[in-house]
Amino acid sequence: GPKVLQIPSHQIIDMGQMVTLNCDPVSNHLYFYWYKQILGQQMEFLVNFYNGKVMEKSKLFKDQFSVERPDGSYFTLKIQPTALEDSAVYFCASSFGTGTGQLYFGEGSKLTVL
Amino acid sequence: GDSVTQTEGLVTLTEGLPVMLNCTYQSTYSPFLFWYVQHLNEAPKLLLKSFTDNKRPEHQGFHATLHKSSSSFHLQKSSAQLSDSALYYCALSESNYNVLYFGSGTKLTVEP
Repeated sequence: GPKVLQIPSHQIIDMGQMVTLNCDPVSNHLYFYWYKQILGQQMEFLVNFYNGKVMEKSKLFKDQFSVERPDGSYFTLKIQPTALEDSAVYFCASSFGTGTGQLYFGEGSKLTVL
Repeated sequence: GDSVTQTEGLVTLTEGLPVMLNCTYQSTYSPFLFWYVQHLNEAPKLLLKSFTDNKRPEHQGFHATLHKSSSSFHLQKSSAQLSDSALYYCALSESNYNVLYFGSGTKLTVEP
């Protein structure tokens, strides 16, 4: 079936550094999402993105976070600067339309901030 | 705000026994409810979605019925298989942009 690819699968960085998590969504999808999952806790919505804009974001989407998808390439989540509490698995998802709930998820990018 | 509650964190069953994973929700509106399944080292995938017309969605032997009166969408299967071992998330969506709000997940382990 359709696949969402996430790069890298693991990243370890020092607190205060910048990190970019990359997502290659399903090719004809129009809506893109990031979710955050701290170990042992539930997946929590961060942000979704459509037509070059953030449509909704949660309280977890701090000012240090940004998303973009320049020229139809990767959909990225950038954290600058990182904090210890940013350590988590970040899941990217995409969907073709709205109202269906059919999100396709990647396998996650595990971020460890030291 | 919207929330989804899955009361069981871990469920362990013997193969062949029935499965029931609980899901209740709170929402201001009439949301769509979903079950997603995540096998080890794989991405979460959609398993079931609620219908608006009281139909009971089924997939891979699993089914769930949306009960608005009790705000529940419990996942059931008549006979568990070893391959059903996975993490199961109940989720709801009521936004125009497909945003899903997930429960804490239930880890199902099916033993021989």
